[in-house]
Amino acid sequence: GNSVTQMEGPVTLSEEAFLTINCTYTATGYPSLFWYVQYPGEGLQLLLKATKADDKGSNKGFEATYRKETTSFHLEKGSVQVSDSAVYFCARFMNRDDKIIFGKGTRLHILP
Amino acid sequence: DAGVTQSPTHLIKTRGQQVTLRCSPKSGHDTVSWYQQALGQGPQFIFQYYEEEERQRGNFPDRFSGHQFPNYSSELNVNALLLGDSALYLCASSRRGSPLYGYTFGSGTRLTVV
Repeated sequence: GNSVTQMEGPVTLSEEAFLTINCTYTATGYPSLFWYVQYPGEGLQLLLKATKADDKGSNKGFEATYRKETTSFHLEKGSVQVSDSAVYFCARFMNRDDKIIFGKGTRLHILP
Repeated sequence: DAGVTQSPTHLIKTRGQQVTLRCSPKSGHDTVSWYQQALGQGPQFIFQYYEEEERQRGNFPDRFSGHQFPNYSSELNVNALLLGDSALYLCASSRRGSPLYGYTFGSGTRLTVV
């Protein structure tokens, strides 16, 4: 089964609203965690990452904290913009696997 | 410094045909991984190549095969195409021994099977 679970979309928000996209993972050991973003018609771009418990990844106003106790890596942004409309993928990586496992993605629509 | 380059960007094939997709890794990378992203889904791992050998494989049938060349570039081949093979195919490159810090994706090849 899928070892990365993220909230289903689409998520529709107004500009300047607060964003949370939930993500939980299952893994034996301590994976590295990522959020990727995919804009319409494009490939994947790394948005942020965290490699160990309690690390906080941040980029472009987005943040996510690696929570080992809840096996979560929720994505947050304090004030979203129309340009943030995209699909967001939570993902995990284990060194011994050397491959990235993705969640199903959450489509985000920001209304002006 | 060029990132990961994939070709072609778009492709239309007929059921039963065969297709070859190509990937040039980022400079300094020696490992290539292929993913299939169906519409509305997350990318699914197909297989990974290093030192011209398939090192690991996801849950895909033998119709999916690949190759890596001495210059680290890679091809993905799909035989006997099915409608369900329509997807965005993503290539990612990395460097063995330090994959986490350089895992880079290409923009993908969108394959449509009709």
